[in-house]
Amino acid sequence: EVQLVESGGGLVKPGSSLKLSCVASGFTFSSYGMHWIRQAPKKGLEWIALIYYDSSNKYYADSVKGRFTISRDNSKNTLYLEMNSLRSEDTAMYYCAKGGDVDYWGQGVMVTVSS
Amino acid sequence: DVVLTQTPPTLSATIGQSVSISCRSSQSLLDSDGDTYLNWLLQRPGQSPQLLIYSVSNLESGVPNRFSGSGSETDFTLKISGVEAEDLGVYYCMQATHAPYTFGAGTKLELK
Repeated sequence: EVQLVESGGGLVKPGSSLKLSCVASGFTFSSYGMHWIRQAPKKGLEWIALIYYDSSNKYYADSVKGRFTISRDNSKNTLYLEMNSLRSEDTAMYYCAKGGDVDYWGQGVMVTVSS
Repeated sequence: DVVLTQTPPTLSATIGQSVSISCRSSQSLLDSDGDTYLNWLLQRPGQSPQLLIYSVSNLESGVPNRFSGSGSETDFTLKISGVEAEDLGVYYCMQATHAPYTFGAGTKLELK
């Protein structure tokens, strides 16, 4: 059974940093690209980052480019999102999702940026 | 960036009614590899999104066949042939042809 479990969220102040993790199981993690997608409270879905299966390519939404970094450790079946210079508008539920078709999603982890 | 425009924003339906949702793209989603990476997802209240349809018309495993997708280039449609209570929620189209990937704003399906 495919499982994606996010962690690392919480309440932080504007300007601070946070690192999210997504532990994958039930599939060959090293064979799939992975995404981070977020959803602000009562809002729609926003794609924010993609990393290829071998980390050879990374893509970002303009809203996070230069502030967020996606990475992965295939030996640990883990996807990461390092978030710097956090703003109030980064407040959202953050999901990791598997593959080009986003066929599996985690349960999400909440990040709240507030003073 | 590719803009996906979903209509209608809300949809009221009775059980058993057939409904359609439109997703229009600001540019062609036909990839150079010949595939068109347009997906449909459903987010039920309080849940993570789930994939329904990938590459325009391919039904994800385990998804009921009352769901179908069609379209090409810039115009796409999700059809539900006979709405059931479990279909209520917000439907999103998503394009994965052009980075950065993008979602439509969503269509909320509710019971009339």
